[in-house]
Amino acid sequence: AQSVAQPEDQVNVAEGNPLTVKCTYSVSGNPYLFWYVQYPNRGLQFLLKYITGDNLVKGSYGFEAEFNKSQTSFHLKKPSALVSDSALYFCAVRDRDGGYNKLIFGAGTRLAVHP
Amino acid sequence: DGGITQSPKYLFRKEGQNVTLSCEQNLNHDAMYWYRQDPGQGLRLIYYSQIVNDFQKGDIAEGYSVSREKKESFPLTVTSAQKNPTAFYLCASSMDRVDGYTFGSGTRLTVV
Repeated sequence: AQSVAQPEDQVNVAEGNPLTVKCTYSVSGNPYLFWYVQYPNRGLQFLLKYITGDNLVKGSYGFEAEFNKSQTSFHLKKPSALVSDSALYFCAVRDRDGGYNKLIFGAGTRLAVHP
Repeated sequence: DGGITQSPKYLFRKEGQNVTLSCEQNLNHDAMYWYRQDPGQGLRLIYYSQIVNDFQKGDIAEGYSVSREKKESFPLTVTSAQKNPTAFYLCASSMDRVDGYTFGSGTRLTVV
């Protein structure tokens, strides 16, 4: 079965510093990978996805993610963190089961950006 | 504006009651999903539907039921058989297999 792991429960970063939120995946076949962000008591918002092509994917709000096939990783990055980036971040992988498509989510990583 | 609407935002259930959470989308998406979110556990899939009149159990379907009579609507019923229903419930939809999800703003269910 497909799965993703987010090894860090929380990441702390100072405002203006670069940030990385880690994600590793386990899939059979080519992976379809996604990042989402969640603010308190809200639904998830799509940030970016990797389907095929360039390993560096650019998304919303200045975020980008690097797909690394050899390390089975899809880390989320941003060159300069903002306090407003503080939120819960989820990595997800598409699972295809019996012809049906669904996303499998990691446990989430809480990002705290300090002024 | 196109999007997904979940209602109510907050819901309180007494022990032994069934309650139904509403999810409506006007995005013309074929697929719809229900997830449950608990602290520290991420999102767990309850049910999903790829087309009208068809739906599949997810990882934690016990104690829940759904229907998909219209493309736009995918209501979730939390039955009295669900022993620990207090959670944040999220509905989502997608167009196709490579598309990401669009999420609703969620319903917080509390057992009182």
